Amino acid sequence: LAKTTQPISMDSYEGQEVNITCSHNNIATNDYITWYQQFPSQGPRFIIQGYKTKVTNEVASLFIPADRKSSTLSLPRVSLSDTAVYYCLVGEGDNTNAGKSTFGDGTTLTVKP
Amino acid sequence: EAGVAQSPRYKIIEKRQSVAFWCNPISGHATLYWYQQILGQGPKLLIQFQNNGVVDDSQLPKDRFSAERLKGVDSTLKIQPAKLEDSAVYLCASSPGLAESYEQYFGPGTRLTVT
Repeated sequence: LAKTTQPISMDSYEGQEVNITCSHNNIATNDYITWYQQFPSQGPRFIIQGYKTKVTNEVASLFIPADRKSSTLSLPRVSLSDTAVYYCLVGEGDNTNAGKSTFGDGTTLTVKP
Repeated sequence: EAGVAQSPRYKIIEKRQSVAFWCNPISGHATLYWYQQILGQGPKLLIQFQNNGVVDDSQLPKDRFSAERLKGVDSTLKIQPAKLEDSAVYLCASSPGLAESYEQYFGPGTRLTVT
C-alpha cells in the first residue's frame, strides 16, 4: 500500500481558499487518490477522487501532477463548517483488492471567523 | 437511499467481557469494511469483505476479534474478551466494489468504552 503524508494541522479564515497537500511517493500505476472529510462523532465522508490531472466537483478540486507522487485538495472559500479532519487515501486498483486503502492520521483544518 | 446502519451507537463494558457490533451496508454494495478509530487517529482497517468472502484481515487481532458477513449482506464484529485498549469507535463502511471507484460510505460508528 502506498503510504501517505499530510500536514498534521492547518488554520485558515472564512472566505479563504485552502490547499491541503498529500505526498504519496510510492503510488502504483493503478492507484486512485481519494479524499475524505470527517467531523467529530461522525464517520468519514467522501469528498473527491482522481487519477491524474485535475478533478472538480461542487465542493472541491483535486490537483494531481504528472508524476502522481503528490496531490492537492483545494477547498474554495471555506466557512466555519469546513472545520474537520481531512484524509488522503491511495487505493489499489486491481480487482482482488478493489477499494483496499489506508487512512493516515489526516489533516485537522480549523477555520476561524 | 438509506445509508450504512450500525448498532449500537454506544457501548460500555468491563474488560474481559464480550461485545458485538452490527452493520447493515447500503443495499447492493459488494464490499464491506470494519475500521477501528482510536481517538486522535485515522481509521484503521480491521477487515474487508467482498460479498461474503474475506479480502483482507491482516490487521484483525484474531485472538480476540472475529467478524462475519453472512449471505454477503449484514455483518457482525465481535470482541471476546475485550481489553482496555479496545476502547475506540468502530466504523462500518460499504462500497459498490467497482475497481474504478473507491468511494466508501461510512456509518455513524459504535463508540466502545472498556473499563
